[in-house]
Amino acid sequence: DAGVIQSPRHEVTEMGQEVTLRCKPISGHDYLFWYRQTMMRGLELLIYFNNNVPIDDSGMPEDRFSAKMPNASFSTLKIQPSEPRDSAVYFCASSRPGLAGDNEQFFGPGTRLTVL
Amino acid sequence: AQSVTQLDSHVSVSEGTPVLLRCNYSSSYSPSLFWYVQHPNKGLQLLLKYTSAATLVKGINGFEAEFKKSETSFHLTKPSAHMSDAAEYFCVVTPSGPGAGSYQLTFGKGTKLSVIP
Repeated sequence: DAGVIQSPRHEVTEMGQEVTLRCKPISGHDYLFWYRQTMMRGLELLIYFNNNVPIDDSGMPEDRFSAKMPNASFSTLKIQPSEPRDSAVYFCASSRPGLAGDNEQFFGPGTRLTVL
Repeated sequence: AQSVTQLDSHVSVSEGTPVLLRCNYSSSYSPSLFWYVQHPNKGLQLLLKYTSAATLVKGINGFEAEFKKSETSFHLTKPSAHMSDAAEYFCVVTPSGPGAGSYQLTFGKGTKLSVIP
């Protein structure tokens, strides 16, 4: 298995531009998570999906952030308009807890976003 | 409610000496506990996990951790550090059991391990 795939790996953009981050979870996983990592705040959960449905988006910082999961193999996190304070590494993770309730999450390599 | 405290933000050891990274947790539920490692500019990789089976858990690269319920601890150890172990380590707690997929992982703030040649 290729693991969780994220693209792009690096993104540099200017303030005010739209940014779209992409994630392909591990096949068969029914949970998908978006995290943000910064030096100041560490790892923060932004939103997660179960069976393509958003379950908890309370971590999304503001309306400029939106996430979608149109099918089981693809999700996007969009920032519009972007601001310098959005600069961070964004991780996607997926899991398949099943009946055993093993909540191990598998992380992608991350997208390093820099907003100038 | 649940929380994780990693007692050291930075640990420095000499190559070939033991490693101890400390983690204490609190949880209202029966917990699952994980240690993840993050090498510079990389994603998070699972080192090991405790999910209510054996209390001494062995992971990859010679790491192990012991779940001690009475002390609410899950310290990570390795007998002999290698240069390639230099990374940041995160202790994570989450409820276990049916429905656990709906529960968030709670991450510690991380411990940066430096290995001196």
